[in-house]
This record gives sequence, structure tokens and C-alpha cells, in this order.
Amino acid sequence: GENVEQHPSTLSVQEGDSAVIKCTYSDSASNYFPWYKQELGKGPQLIIDIRSNVGEKKDQRIAVTLNKTAKHFSLHITETQPEDSAVYFCAASKGTGGSYIPTFGRGTSLIVHP
Amino acid sequence: DADVTQTPRNRITKTGKRIMLECSQTKGHDRMYWYRQDPGLGLRLIYYSFDVKDINKGEISDGYSVSRQAQAKFSLSLESAIPNQTALYFCATSDAVLNEQFFGPGTRLTVL
Repeated sequence: GENVEQHPSTLSVQEGDSAVIKCTYSDSASNYFPWYKQELGKGPQLIIDIRSNVGEKKDQRIAVTLNKTAKHFSLHITETQPEDSAVYFCAASKGTGGSYIPTFGRGTSLIVHP
Repeated sequence: DADVTQTPRNRITKTGKRIMLECSQTKGHDRMYWYRQDPGLGLRLIYYSFDVKDINKGEISDGYSVSRQAQAKFSLSLESAIPNQTALYFCATSDAVLNEQFFGPGTRLTVL
């Protein structure tokens, strides 16, 4: 089955700095890579996703890059703010027509210091 | 109102007791999932259901069972709870076209 490794487990940055979280996956057939943000006391929420036919995707301060050859993808957050503090999960999945079953990484706790 | 609700939000029980966690959704999605979250281990899939008549085991189904009572309801049962089932449990839904999963607020279960 799929195996997703996520690093680092904890990331501490100063407000305004950039943050990068990296994930690797094992199954070359995986074709959908979402990122979820989990705030304290809440369930995870999708913040951005990328499919295997795209190398990069941006949404305001957040971007995701995908390297299919190396089987790794990364989340980039620029100009971090205290409200970015949360646990971030990457996931990898394969399938078609909504049959995706994601395998999640172990999570990264991002702390943004004011 | 929340789209995905879970009851109870917190539960403390004893070893050997039968426990049911309930999930309801108003999103109209066919697909529902149960995950377990442990510190440092991320989210692990217990069971999933693509429609009312479809039930599938996930990565860690041993010791758990599920029931899909209706499109909107998906329950997780622990027949005989044990301490290593102490965890945060999440229900999630998704539709048949997009792949985004929508998570409930979670149930914190403690087995003594």
C-alpha cells in the first residue's frame, strides 16, 4: 500500500517568514495530493490540493509543488501569520471518479511566533 | 449548523464496554469515512462507505465495526473497548466527483 512520509514533525518560524513542509510517497500511481490544516479542537480542513498533471499550484500565500519523478510534494506558506499556527497534514491517493482513498502523513505542527 | 456532526464529542468509558460513535451529515454526500488520530501518527482510516450498501475495511479495522443506517448516517462501534483505543476519532464525507473530504469536529474517546 501507499506510504507517506512527512517532515518536519514540528516547525517554528517568526511571523513574516516562510514555512515549507515536505512529503514523499511510495506509490507511483498516486495522482491526487491534498493538504489539510487542523486547528486546535477542530477537524482537518482542505487548504489546497494538486493533481499529478500539474507541477505547481498557488492560492494567495499558499503554494504546493509536485515532483512526480522524485515522488515528493511540498507545501509553501509565505509571509506567515500567527493564525497559520496549526497542524498540517499531507496526503496521497489514487483513483478515479471520486474513489480516492487518501493515505495521510503524520502531520507537521507549525508554530508562528508574533 | 455544522455540515458534519459527531456525537458524543467526549466519552470516557471502561475496558470491555461497548461504545457507539455517531456521525451525521447534511452535505448530501454518498461517501463517508471513519478515521482515528493519535499523536504523532496522523490520521488512519478505520472504515469507509461509498454508499448505503457499501462497507469497506480501512487500514486499522480490527476491534471496530460500522453501520451505514442511511446516506446521512454512519456509526462506528467498539464492541469491547480496550485502553489502546483511546484516541481522537473523526468522521468525514466526500462526494462522487470532487475528492475533498469534509471532517466533523471529532470525538475524544478515553478507555480506562
